[in-house]
Amino acid sequence: NAGVTQTPKFRILKIGQSMTLQCTQDMNHNYMYWYRQDPGMGLKLIYYSVGAGITDKGEVPNGYNVSRSTTEDFPLRLELAAPSQTSVYFCASSYSADMNTEAFFGQGTRLTVV
Amino acid sequence: AQKITQTQPGMFVQEKEAVTLDCTYDTSDQSYGLFWYKQPSSGEMIFLIYQGSYDEQNATEGRYSLNFQKARKSANLVISASQLGDSAMYFCAMRGPTGFQKLVFGTGTRLLVSP
Repeated sequence: NAGVTQTPKFRILKIGQSMTLQCTQDMNHNYMYWYRQDPGMGLKLIYYSVGAGITDKGEVPNGYNVSRSTTEDFPLRLELAAPSQTSVYFCASSYSADMNTEAFFGQGTRLTVV
Repeated sequence: AQKITQTQPGMFVQEKEAVTLDCTYDTSDQSYGLFWYKQPSSGEMIFLIYQGSYDEQNATEGRYSLNFQKARKSANLVISASQLGDSAMYFCAMRGPTGFQKLVFGTGTRLLVSP
């Protein structure tokens, strides 16, 4: 079972470059999320989506954009990379909005901006 | 606002012993869910156990149990019979009954299991 798949696993960007972190899930989940994890810290929500065509900001959205054209895909776009965006990025999905629903995570993308 | 506090940056335990990882939370919601995730050195986040705020019994999943004390707002993870493969970061998280769903994470506890 593929679950949540993120690509790439690692990436080094120069300041000012742009890139898209890909996330796809094959569980037909409506809810998808992007988190970042800074060293020694827990995860913080960047953006989330409750279904195709619907996205909203999380706790730390500045410098990022998302789109949700299909149920399966939820790419995260960095337009002008900055060193502060060096982090590990996790994509996650969940089946429903019920409180006892767990979130399934991808393997993470380790991004370094130099 | 919701907040998760994990006060133990690191814990050490010998193989086959039990260990408790602490988690306290703060919320004004009456309904909420508490989760524990494991993050091994490979980086992925692995769901371990869930406890609902209205669940009267403590959750258990194999060697994992959640010691839920609602009045004290604590949700400690107990790992029985530790194994070398339990060495990892452990995150406590919660979500509440808002219109969208997100997980609020603590800063994590690094567990090291020694032979």
